[in-house]
Amino acid sequence: ETGVTQTPRHLVMGMTNKKSLKCEQHLGHNAMYWYKQSAKKPLELMFVYSLEERVENNSVPSRFSPECPNSSHLFLHLHTLQPEDSALYLCASSQGTSNYEQYFGPGTRLTVT
Amino acid sequence: KQEVTQIPAALSVPEGENLVLNCSFTDSAIYNLQWFRQDPGKGLTSLLLIQSSQREQTSGRLNASLDKSSGRSTLYIAASQPGDSATYLCAVRPDSGGGADGLTFGKGTHLIIQP
Repeated sequence: ETGVTQTPRHLVMGMTNKKSLKCEQHLGHNAMYWYKQSAKKPLELMFVYSLEERVENNSVPSRFSPECPNSSHLFLHLHTLQPEDSALYLCASSQGTSNYEQYFGPGTRLTVT
Repeated sequence: KQEVTQIPAALSVPEGENLVLNCSFTDSAIYNLQWFRQDPGKGLTSLLLIQSSQREQTSGRLNASLDKSSGRSTLYIAASQPGDSATYLCAVRPDSGGGADGLTFGKGTHLIIQP
């Protein structure tokens, strides 16, 4: 256990559905991240939040909408996804930005049908 | 744009051997480099973090080195065991002048240790 939890662990959704991924960290960190891991591609950074403010949006399509209501929770809202969005979505947190170790959750395996 | 390359992409060795995994990155302006382990269908487990001012870090049978100027890092695993079988990922944290950047990852090395 890394102190970062993600729910659900598996999700199957149609292209017209709306769903949300949840991440919670129990480490007292103040920075949180969403990453996407697709088959045969490196892990890609999607969003960075520091002190509950978004500080980076890595050219992610608007069908992905992040939300960080407090420093312990991070959501990824999904709507009108495409089959190519099927991937493992990983959440991470760190004590601060720039020079701190990142701790990852177990991920949500998303399948878009 | 920072790019991270890991060689080899896959490696299979008998139990007990010492082995080296390689990582290279194109932009030497980094804060740190982190090695992770990923088991099938699971998240990432951090193994070692090397700050840009450091040359190496050790944890148990693992030793990671960093040559920032040449853009290279190696992960040395001593006396390999079947439980070491996993995908090993290298990631760098760019030095963007204090911005909150995430990590840039390589594609990983898929390691199999044969009993």
